[in-house]
Amino acid sequence: SAVISQKPSRDICQRGTSLTIQCQVDSQVTMMFWYRQQPGQSLTLIATANQGSEATYESGFVIDKFPISRPNLTFSTLTVSNMSPEDSSIYLCSVAGGPNSPLHFGNGTRLTVT
Amino acid sequence: GQNIDQPTEMTATEGAIVQINCTYQTSGFNGLFWYQQHAGEAPTFLSYNVLDGLEEKGRFSSFLSRSKGYSYLLLKELQMKDSASYLCAVSKTGGSYIPTFGRGTSLIVHP
Repeated sequence: SAVISQKPSRDICQRGTSLTIQCQVDSQVTMMFWYRQQPGQSLTLIATANQGSEATYESGFVIDKFPISRPNLTFSTLTVSNMSPEDSSIYLCSVAGGPNSPLHFGNGTRLTVT
Repeated sequence: GQNIDQPTEMTATEGAIVQINCTYQTSGFNGLFWYQQHAGEAPTFLSYNVLDGLEEKGRFSSFLSRSKGYSYLLLKELQMKDSASYLCAVSKTGGSYIPTFGRGTSLIVHP
């Protein structure tokens, strides 16, 4: 399976600032996604990162708050903008080879907003 | 939408067998995944069921009944390292097949 490198692994940020999380995959992948996992909760899909076009956001998530880039088939970024303590969570990059393929996850970014 | 239900927490003894159930309600069901997630780590893929029946992989097996909207993950010969959260995830047809995750079952294995 693909090797997924995500950074930073953790960060502590002040409210009102923004953080960009990077996801690098060691091979070209069709599908890349960004998930959020709040403490004690399951994984919630934020958006699908589309190569060369705007990301597809799930209900409750908007581009102004979570801008996403995907310039090629091996790299994506997620920015958490104008952060508040409610954004404290683990953010996970994931990839899949195609429909019906299992998702594989990066190690996540543990974000704390103070 | 989709409703995916799993028990919140289970405990079991080292060496024993444990069954973690998952029920779901969804239209356009495609398949069901099981993932394992250790504390502080990313989820890792365990199994994928599309057809009814049992899929066995070593100590882990996964069962699916499409007509009942039901799956279980069976863990045999439990080891302490099996203490983790187990996530059931359902994918649908007619779209991008991205799975929706349940809240997970925290399994605690004690000596």
